[in-house]
Amino acid sequence: QKEVEQNSGPLSVPEGAIASLNCTYSDRGSQSFFWYRQYSGKSPELIMSIYSNGDKEDGRFTAQLNKASQYVSLLIRDSQPSDSATYLCAVTLRGQNFVFGPGTRLSVLP
Amino acid sequence: EAGVAQSPRYKIIEKRQSVAFWCNPISGHATLYWYQQILGQGPKLLIQFQNNGVVDDSQLPKDRFSAERLKGVDSTLKIQPAKLEDSAVYLCASSLLQASGRELFFGEGSRLTVL
Repeated sequence: QKEVEQNSGPLSVPEGAIASLNCTYSDRGSQSFFWYRQYSGKSPELIMSIYSNGDKEDGRFTAQLNKASQYVSLLIRDSQPSDSATYLCAVTLRGQNFVFGPGTRLSVLP
Repeated sequence: EAGVAQSPRYKIIEKRQSVAFWCNPISGHATLYWYQQILGQGPKLLIQFQNNGVVDDSQLPKDRFSAERLKGVDSTLKIQPAKLEDSAVYLCASSLLQASGRELFFGEGSRLTVL
């Protein structure tokens, strides 16, 4: 079983819609959860971090964490074409290394 | 504040040749990571340093890959001999501390093509 799983996509949404990205992880000892955005040919950049159950909002982005279900999601409200990128879910396992999922490609259509 | 520096940005070699990548982390960052990202996949950790000591190299193919971080600052990742499947982007990242919850800062990456 892979440690961090994501739908590879592509996920296509119209401009102005809500994009919903999902991630599941296998290790119940996971402590910290991150969403990174990666534009084509560029390196990943941090969008959100979340450490406790519930929602965390930052501008148009909301991260949701449910440790019981081992599930973390990212919602992007009022999606813009500039949000088109690959979104990587990352988890720290046992307080150590960052483990990345395969990423979900998001395409926001004008 | 200067970011994570990596070089070279691009490298093309033939299989069985050797290659080396260099990384200089953000000043003061104790933890340094090398990730391999194959096209269409997420980054995969190769090795993690805390200062100049190795924390995790469990996924490093030690028969061909080696890495060092002398003096706890910059680092070099070497591949010898290279295989076709080593074609990937090699990302260096650093963080302030090893503890969970610390943001990773990535360099621009070194793209390797093995022919």
